[in-house]
Amino acid sequence: GQNIDQPTEMTATEGAIVQINCTYQTSGFNGLFWYQQHAGEAPTFLSYNVLDGLEEKGRFSSFLSRSKGYSYLLLKELQMKDSASYLCAFMDSNYQLIWGAGTKLIIKP
Amino acid sequence: GAVVSQHPSWVICKSGTSVKIECRSLDFQATTMFWYRQFPKQSLMLMATSNEGSKATYEQGVEKDKFLINHASLTLSTLTVTSAHPEDSSFYICSARGGLDYNEQFFGPGTRLTVL
Repeated sequence: GQNIDQPTEMTATEGAIVQINCTYQTSGFNGLFWYQQHAGEAPTFLSYNVLDGLEEKGRFSSFLSRSKGYSYLLLKELQMKDSASYLCAFMDSNYQLIWGAGTKLIIKP
Repeated sequence: GAVVSQHPSWVICKSGTSVKIECRSLDFQATTMFWYRQFPKQSLMLMATSNEGSKATYEQGVEKDKFLINHASLTLSTLTVTSAHPEDSSFYICSARGGLDYNEQFFGPGTRLTVL
Protein backbone atom coordinates (compact mmCIF):
# COMPACT_ATOMS: atom_id res chain seq x y z
CA GLY A 1 0.00 0.00 0.00
CA GLN A 2 0.85 3.64 0.00
CA ASN A 3 1.11 6.01 2.90
CA ILE A 4 2.86 9.20 3.86
CA ASP A 5 3.36 10.75 7.26
CA GLN A 6 4.55 14.07 8.65
CA PRO A 7 4.14 15.81 12.01
CA THR A 8 0.95 17.77 12.52
CA GLU A 9 2.46 20.87 14.03
CA MET A 10 5.85 22.34 14.91
CA THR A 11 6.94 25.51 16.66
CA ALA A 12 10.20 27.37 16.13
CA THR A 13 11.75 30.72 16.93
CA GLU A 14 12.44 33.51 14.49
CA GLY A 15 16.01 33.32 13.22
CA ALA A 16 16.41 29.66 14.14
CA ILE A 17 16.51 26.49 12.03
CA VAL A 18 13.74 23.90 11.78
CA GLN A 19 13.61 20.49 10.12
CA ILE A 20 10.29 19.01 9.02
CA ASN A 21 10.40 15.26 8.45
CA CYS A 22 8.34 13.18 6.06
CA THR A 23 8.25 9.41 5.75
CA TYR A 24 6.52 7.45 3.05
CA GLN A 25 5.85 3.96 1.75
CA THR A 26 5.13 3.13 -1.86
CA SER A 27 6.03 0.55 -4.45
CA GLY A 28 6.34 3.05 -7.29
CA PHE A 29 8.20 6.32 -6.81
CA ASN A 30 8.77 9.26 -9.13
CA GLY A 31 9.97 11.91 -6.76
CA LEU A 32 9.18 13.77 -3.54
CA PHE A 33 7.75 17.28 -3.47
CA TRP A 34 7.51 19.93 -0.78
CA TYR A 35 4.92 22.67 -0.99
CA GLN A 36 4.22 25.67 1.23
CA GLN A 37 0.64 26.69 1.89
CA HIS A 38 -0.42 29.83 3.73
CA ALA A 39 -3.88 29.84 5.25
CA GLY A 40 -6.57 30.45 2.65
CA GLU A 41 -4.17 30.14 -0.25
CA ALA A 42 -3.20 27.43 -2.70
CA PRO A 43 0.07 25.52 -2.26
CA THR A 44 3.23 26.90 -3.80
CA PHE A 45 6.09 24.71 -4.97
CA LEU A 46 9.23 24.61 -2.85
CA SER A 47 11.31 21.64 -3.95
CA TYR A 48 11.49 18.36 -5.84
CA ASN A 49 13.86 15.47 -5.09
CA VAL A 50 14.05 12.35 -7.18
CA LEU A 51 17.62 11.29 -6.35
CA ASP A 52 19.13 10.75 -2.92
CA GLY A 53 20.81 13.72 -1.35
CA LEU A 54 20.38 17.32 -0.40
CA GLU A 55 19.00 20.05 -2.66
CA GLU A 56 19.67 23.57 -1.44
CA LYS A 57 17.67 26.57 -2.55
CA GLY A 58 18.37 29.70 -0.58
CA ARG A 59 17.12 29.39 3.00
CA PHE A 60 15.30 26.15 2.18
CA SER A 61 16.88 22.74 1.63
CA SER A 62 15.30 19.37 1.00
CA PHE A 63 16.78 15.94 1.55
CA LEU A 64 15.76 12.55 0.23
CA SER A 65 16.71 8.96 1.09
CA ARG A 66 14.83 6.59 -1.17
CA SER A 67 16.07 3.46 0.63
CA LYS A 68 14.67 4.76 3.91
CA GLY A 69 11.51 6.32 2.46
CA TYR A 70 12.47 9.54 4.18
CA SER A 71 12.68 13.21 3.33
CA TYR A 72 13.09 16.40 5.27
CA LEU A 73 12.66 20.08 4.60
CA LEU A 74 15.16 22.32 6.34
CA LEU A 75 14.34 25.97 6.86
CA LYS A 76 17.13 28.30 7.99
CA GLU A 77 17.07 31.85 9.34
CA LEU A 78 13.37 31.56 10.02
CA GLN A 79 11.21 34.58 9.35
CA MET A 80 7.71 35.29 10.58
CA LYS A 81 6.43 34.95 7.02
CA ASP A 82 7.53 31.30 7.07
CA SER A 83 4.57 30.54 9.32
CA ALA A 84 2.52 28.25 7.09
CA SER A 85 1.66 24.63 6.47
CA TYR A 86 4.27 22.55 4.70
CA LEU A 87 3.01 19.68 2.61
CA CYS A 88 5.10 16.77 1.45
CA ALA A 89 3.90 14.58 -1.39
CA PHE A 90 5.40 11.75 -3.39
CA MET A 91 4.63 10.98 -6.99
CA ASP A 92 3.66 7.37 -7.55
CA SER A 93 4.16 5.14 -10.57
CA ASN A 94 1.08 6.67 -12.22
CA TYR A 95 2.58 10.16 -11.84
CA GLN A 96 -0.09 10.98 -9.30
CA LEU A 97 0.77 12.99 -6.19
CA ILE A 98 0.03 11.34 -2.85
CA TRP A 99 -0.20 14.05 -0.21
CA GLY A 100 0.72 14.14 3.44
CA ALA A 101 -1.64 15.89 5.84
CA GLY A 102 0.71 18.85 6.17
CA THR A 103 2.79 20.25 9.02
CA LYS A 104 1.67 23.54 10.48
CA LEU A 105 4.75 25.56 11.34
CA ILE A 106 4.35 28.28 13.95
CA ILE A 107 7.12 30.87 14.19
CA LYS A 108 7.46 32.78 17.45
CA PRO A 109 9.37 36.05 17.87
CA GLY B 1 7.30 29.78 -14.13
CA ALA B 2 4.05 28.30 -15.31
CA VAL B 3 0.90 30.14 -14.29
CA VAL B 4 -2.49 28.65 -13.55
CA SER B 5 -5.53 30.81 -12.94
CA GLN B 6 -8.87 30.01 -11.40
CA HIS B 7 -12.15 31.85 -11.64
CA PRO B 8 -13.95 32.84 -9.55
CA SER B 9 -11.75 33.31 -6.49
CA TRP B 10 -14.74 32.99 -4.23
CA VAL B 11 -18.42 32.36 -4.66
CA ILE B 12 -21.45 32.32 -2.40
CA CYS B 13 -24.55 30.55 -3.65
CA LYS B 14 -27.87 29.24 -2.44
CA SER B 15 -28.44 25.58 -1.74
CA GLY B 16 -29.63 23.74 -4.85
CA THR B 17 -27.88 25.93 -7.39
CA SER B 18 -24.97 24.93 -9.60
CA VAL B 19 -21.57 26.58 -9.62
CA LYS B 20 -18.93 26.43 -12.35
CA ILE B 21 -15.24 26.92 -11.59
CA GLU B 22 -12.75 27.50 -14.37
CA CYS B 23 -9.09 26.53 -14.33
CA ARG B 24 -6.76 27.86 -17.01
CA SER B 25 -3.10 27.29 -17.76
CA LEU B 26 -1.95 30.66 -19.04
CA ASP B 27 1.46 30.02 -20.54
CA PHE B 28 1.68 26.30 -21.16
CA GLN B 29 -0.40 23.43 -22.45
CA ALA B 30 -1.74 21.31 -19.64
CA THR B 31 -2.03 17.70 -20.70
CA THR B 32 -3.43 16.79 -17.30
CA MET B 33 -5.41 18.80 -14.79
CA PHE B 34 -6.25 17.86 -11.25
CA TRP B 35 -9.09 19.03 -9.03
CA TYR B 36 -8.62 19.06 -5.28
CA ARG B 37 -10.86 19.93 -2.37
CA GLN B 38 -9.56 21.12 0.97
CA PHE B 39 -11.60 21.45 4.13
CA PRO B 40 -10.36 23.70 6.95
CA LYS B 41 -7.23 22.42 8.68
CA GLN B 42 -7.09 19.37 6.43
CA SER B 43 -4.79 18.40 3.61
CA LEU B 44 -5.59 18.40 -0.06
CA MET B 45 -8.00 15.70 -1.21
CA LEU B 46 -7.78 14.74 -4.87
CA MET B 47 -11.22 14.66 -6.41
CA ALA B 48 -10.46 13.81 -10.02
CA THR B 49 -7.84 13.75 -12.74
CA SER B 50 -8.67 14.90 -16.23
CA ASN B 51 -6.76 14.56 -19.46
CA GLU B 52 -7.58 16.79 -22.40
CA GLY B 53 -10.25 15.32 -24.60
CA SER B 54 -11.13 12.37 -22.40
CA LYS B 55 -13.40 11.69 -19.45
CA ALA B 56 -12.17 12.53 -16.00
CA THR B 57 -11.07 9.82 -13.59
CA TYR B 58 -12.76 10.31 -10.24
CA GLU B 59 -11.38 9.25 -6.87
CA GLN B 60 -13.32 6.82 -4.76
CA GLY B 61 -16.18 8.48 -2.95
CA VAL B 62 -16.44 11.44 -5.33
CA GLU B 63 -19.77 11.56 -7.17
CA LYS B 64 -19.12 12.12 -10.85
CA ASP B 65 -22.71 13.23 -11.47
CA LYS B 66 -22.41 15.90 -8.82
CA PHE B 67 -18.96 17.17 -9.70
CA LEU B 68 -18.89 17.52 -13.48
CA ILE B 69 -15.47 17.98 -14.98
CA ASN B 70 -14.79 19.08 -18.53
CA HIS B 71 -11.30 19.36 -20.02
CA ALA B 72 -12.12 20.46 -23.53
CA SER B 73 -8.82 22.08 -24.40
CA LEU B 74 -5.18 22.00 -23.36
CA THR B 75 -5.58 25.24 -21.43
CA LEU B 76 -9.00 24.98 -19.81
CA SER B 77 -10.75 22.64 -17.41
CA THR B 78 -14.01 23.33 -15.62
CA LEU B 79 -15.53 21.88 -12.47
CA THR B 80 -19.28 22.26 -12.02
CA VAL B 81 -20.74 21.57 -8.60
CA THR B 82 -24.33 20.64 -9.36
CA SER B 83 -27.16 21.14 -6.87
CA ALA B 84 -24.73 22.45 -4.28
CA HIS B 85 -25.44 21.91 -0.60
CA PRO B 86 -23.84 23.45 2.49
CA GLU B 87 -21.61 20.39 2.96
CA ASP B 88 -20.03 21.19 -0.43
CA SER B 89 -18.65 24.42 1.01
CA SER B 90 -14.90 24.08 0.71
CA PHE B 91 -11.74 25.40 -0.92
CA TYR B 92 -11.45 23.99 -4.44
CA ILE B 93 -8.02 24.01 -6.03
CA CYS B 94 -6.98 22.98 -9.49
CA SER B 95 -3.50 22.09 -10.64
CA ALA B 96 -2.08 21.49 -14.07
CA ARG B 97 0.73 19.38 -15.39
CA GLY B 98 2.46 19.80 -18.71
CA GLY B 99 5.09 21.86 -20.40
CA LEU B 100 8.79 21.17 -20.07
CA ASP B 101 8.71 19.63 -16.60
CA TYR B 102 6.20 16.83 -16.74
CA ASN B 103 6.51 15.90 -13.10
CA GLU B 104 5.66 19.25 -11.55
CA GLN B 105 2.12 20.34 -10.86
CA PHE B 106 1.31 24.04 -10.93
CA PHE B 107 -1.51 25.13 -8.69
CA GLY B 108 -4.21 27.68 -9.29
CA PRO B 109 -4.99 30.16 -6.50
CA GLY B 110 -8.10 28.25 -5.42
CA THR B 111 -11.81 28.99 -5.25
CA ARG B 112 -13.58 29.42 -1.93
CA LEU B 113 -17.15 28.08 -2.26
CA THR B 114 -19.75 28.86 0.39
CA VAL B 115 -23.18 27.31 0.00
CA LEU B 116 -25.89 28.89 2.15
